[in-house]
Amino acid sequence: NAGVMQNPRHLVRRRGQEARLRCSPMKGHSHVYWYRQLPEEGLKFMVYLQKENIIDESGMPKERFSAEFPKEGPSILRIQQVVRGDSAAYFCASSPPYSNYEQYFGPGTRLTVT
Amino acid sequence: GIQVEQSPPDLILQEGANSTLRCNFSDSVNNLQWFHQNPWGQLINLFYIPSGTKQNGRLSATTVATERYSLLYISSSQTTDSGVYFCAVPQGAQKLVFGQGTRLTINP
Repeated sequence: NAGVMQNPRHLVRRRGQEARLRCSPMKGHSHVYWYRQLPEEGLKFMVYLQKENIIDESGMPKERFSAEFPKEGPSILRIQQVVRGDSAAYFCASSPPYSNYEQYFGPGTRLTVT
Repeated sequence: GIQVEQSPPDLILQEGANSTLRCNFSDSVNNLQWFHQNPWGQLINLFYIPSGTKQNGRLSATTVATERYSLLYISSSQTTDSGVYFCAVPQGAQKLVFGQGTRLTINP
């Protein structure tokens, strides 16, 4: 059973470009979470999604950031018009439908904005 | 919201030593997870431990939910144990709140 998959693993964008981060949950998992880790800090919750629904986006910045989890395909975290402060590691986690608490994490995408 | 504090922030040990990492949380929780972030940045699940004690090889964890803390024990440390150890607790039904981590360095 493959774990949570994220791609790309490393992404370099210039200021003003768009970044798209992808996450495929573990097989059988229907809940997806995105977290951001700034350098030398812990992980901070951004958004929680189920298929075709955003359940909780209380940790998402109000502008430029959006997330989706379509019926088919991976979850996407999209950052428009990136700025240097967006440089961070973005982790995706998934959990099975019967438990919201035990979350399994992907390897992360390291975004560098130049 | 719930606060999670980890101690110590940094720990440097020689190979073969034992260590205890602590996680305090400010409110009642019904779950707690310990993670190891290795030097390559990957986040590895160690324990899912709402209460009691669990052991996995040289690692064990104990959560005392009534007193709002959890401990992670590492015995006979190896250089591959180096990295940052995080604990995380749920806030509400969805989000995990992470502590700031303990950075463990094991020297050969």
